[in-house]
Amino acid sequence: AQSVTQPDIHITVSEGASLELRCNYSYGATPYLFWYVQSPGQGLQLLLKYFSGDTLVQGIKGFEAEFKRSQSSFNLRKPSVHWSDAAEYFCAVGNNAGNMLTFGGGTRLMVKP
Amino acid sequence: DTGVSQDPRHKITKRGQNVTFRCDPISEHNRLYWYRQTLGQGPEFLTYFQNEAQLEKSRLLSDRFSAERPKGSFSTLEIQRTEQGDSAMYLCASSLGASGREYEQYFGPGTRLTVT
Repeated sequence: AQSVTQPDIHITVSEGASLELRCNYSYGATPYLFWYVQSPGQGLQLLLKYFSGDTLVQGIKGFEAEFKRSQSSFNLRKPSVHWSDAAEYFCAVGNNAGNMLTFGGGTRLMVKP
Repeated sequence: DTGVSQDPRHKITKRGQNVTFRCDPISEHNRLYWYRQTLGQGPEFLTYFQNEAQLEKSRLLSDRFSAERPKGSFSTLEIQRTEQGDSAMYLCASSLGASGREYEQYFGPGTRLTVT
């Protein structure tokens, strides 16, 4: 069975500082990996995805993520955080049939001025 | 592209009542998904449709839950005899069933259900 772990429940960073959110997955085959962001009262927005190929993927809003098969990780990064990035971030793995996403528990990001 | 819409956005009901939620996917998307999200948790998969066919159901979907997508467009999720444990955000997503694109699920704003 597939699973996703996001070890950090809360993270606080200062505006302008760099950010890394951790994600570890468990899946028997080549994973399809995603990062979503959820702001209060908003739906989940897809930030970026990894299917195959280059292990460093670029997303929207200046985010990037790196797939490391040896570590079963797909960490999300941003070089300089803006106050508007404060939200909850979810990592997810998709099954090969493309009919189900399994999400991690989320990381709540707070940004200090 | 108007995005995925859900109605209502909020629903408060008394225990034992039935509730129904509606989801309108992105118009050209033939795949539709329902998820449930409780406070402080990530979304959990409930069920999935390809066109009008319900092809996958989670064990979380007890027999009090039923989902339909009668014409392969909008979908409804009904919960009968609601219990307090059903209180959650119910999320709908859709995707295009074309090669590679089926993995890109686009989510609606959700329906928040509170059972009193």
